[in-house]
Amino acid sequence: DQQVKQNSPSLSVQEGRISILNCDYTNSMFDYFLWYKKYPAEGPTFLISISSIKDKNEDGRFTVFLNKSAKHLSLHIVPSQPGDSAVYFCAASARHFGNEKLTFGTGTRLTIIP
Amino acid sequence: EAGVAQSPRYKIIEKRQSVAFWCNPISGHATLYWYQQILGQGPKLLIQFQNNGVVDDSQLPKDRFSAERLKGVDSTLKIQPAKLEDSAVYLCASSLAVGKRGGSTEAFFGQGTRLTVV
Repeated sequence: DQQVKQNSPSLSVQEGRISILNCDYTNSMFDYFLWYKKYPAEGPTFLISISSIKDKNEDGRFTVFLNKSAKHLSLHIVPSQPGDSAVYFCAASARHFGNEKLTFGTGTRLTIIP
Repeated sequence: EAGVAQSPRYKIIEKRQSVAFWCNPISGHATLYWYQQILGQGPKLLIQFQNNGVVDDSQLPKDRFSAERLKGVDSTLKIQPAKLEDSAVYLCASSLAVGKRGGSTEAFFGQGTRLTVV
């Protein structure tokens, strides 16, 4: 049962353009969402997060949007840079219920074309 | 600030052999996680510790996997005996995890141990 889904295994974007990565979830108890970035042979690195009480969180070039009614979140990267090429994982947890456990999606491989 | 340390980085073993992985979390982090990441999939939680107590091990195959976190700091994950399907990257992560309603933070991951079972 895949509770967090990233339906696009890969995405290619021109340098300087906007990258939009999508994530859907099915568990209504999830109340905290995170994006992690992973380079080859390294562990995932935290990028940005959003609580369910918000619908948008911004950090520099990265913005995460949350649509609770649709159970959908997206990560926007603008402008995209070659160093952004990596695998991006969406993750969710049910912190209000005392559960710190992260449930991950399968990842989207982002390639920025120079 | 030193990150999460894991060893070894790579391990190749034959099926039915045993293997152990070690993790040293970020100093002061009470919560420690072991994740299994099979190629092409997202990380899957195997076990979560809060200090030296187990919080969640519902997805740990307990007939062959075991983990401990003595003294609430370092942790080891063991597989005995290994199967071919155990080939994966084993990721250790830690977080401050202040409490149920507190300002708990995101998890920080180590580089992982890539296990190949042949």
